[in-house]
Amino acid sequence: DTEVTQTPKHLVMGMTNKKSLKCEQHMGHRAMYWYKQKAKKPPELMFVYSYEKLSINESVPSRFSPECPNSSLLNLHLHALQPEDSALYLCASSPRAAGIGQNYGYTFGSGTRLTVV
Amino acid sequence: AQTVTQSQPEMSVQEAETVTLSCTYDTSESDYYLFWYKQPPSRQMILVIRQEAYKQQNATENRFSVNFQKAAKSFSLKISDSQLGDAAMYFCVRLSNFGNEKLTFGTGTRLTIIP
Repeated sequence: DTEVTQTPKHLVMGMTNKKSLKCEQHMGHRAMYWYKQKAKKPPELMFVYSYEKLSINESVPSRFSPECPNSSLLNLHLHALQPEDSALYLCASSPRAAGIGQNYGYTFGSGTRLTVV
Repeated sequence: AQTVTQSQPEMSVQEAETVTLSCTYDTSESDYYLFWYKQPPSRQMILVIRQEAYKQQNATENRFSVNFQKAAKSFSLKISDSQLGDAAMYFCVRLSNFGNEKLTFGTGTRLTIIP
């Protein structure tokens, strides 16, 4: 299995809703990431988990809450979002953090298109 | 700030022809990784090719090759025999080898393939 699987593919939520995005990989990667991508822009890093511990939080508002229950699974819990949070949310994984070997690279999922109404 | 610059927001190429996408970057490090990722309308970011800065030999992957000029901090992507499936947004990306796991993306080049 060489994929990162994200669910759902599309999500529409109201500003008072609570929802979660899910990301799963079975490649044995020990680093997982959440990125936010607005239209026609490059992805922006939100969070990095390294060995299931949060290692980087790019000053993301608390209405976004990441969770890494195990080495294969990454969640992003959403609460009280704003319309400007509408974007494509990409999950990615890489073999290991803080150390790079041969054939290093990131594997991305196909994203969740989030619309906040 | 250690930036990645893609000066061509859009490019187009005739099918079966060759096209080169430009990328320059800024870094004070001697060791790092460079990647080209493509993002088609399907949205998934797909790794096209990688280059480790300590390797002088330019990376190649089938129809894709890079021209890595370390001193000039340049990392261009050449696509040979362009195919319709190559149409996508292409991002030049840099990764520090010093473990902060933060990819630095360029602004992207949208490539159109003309049949």
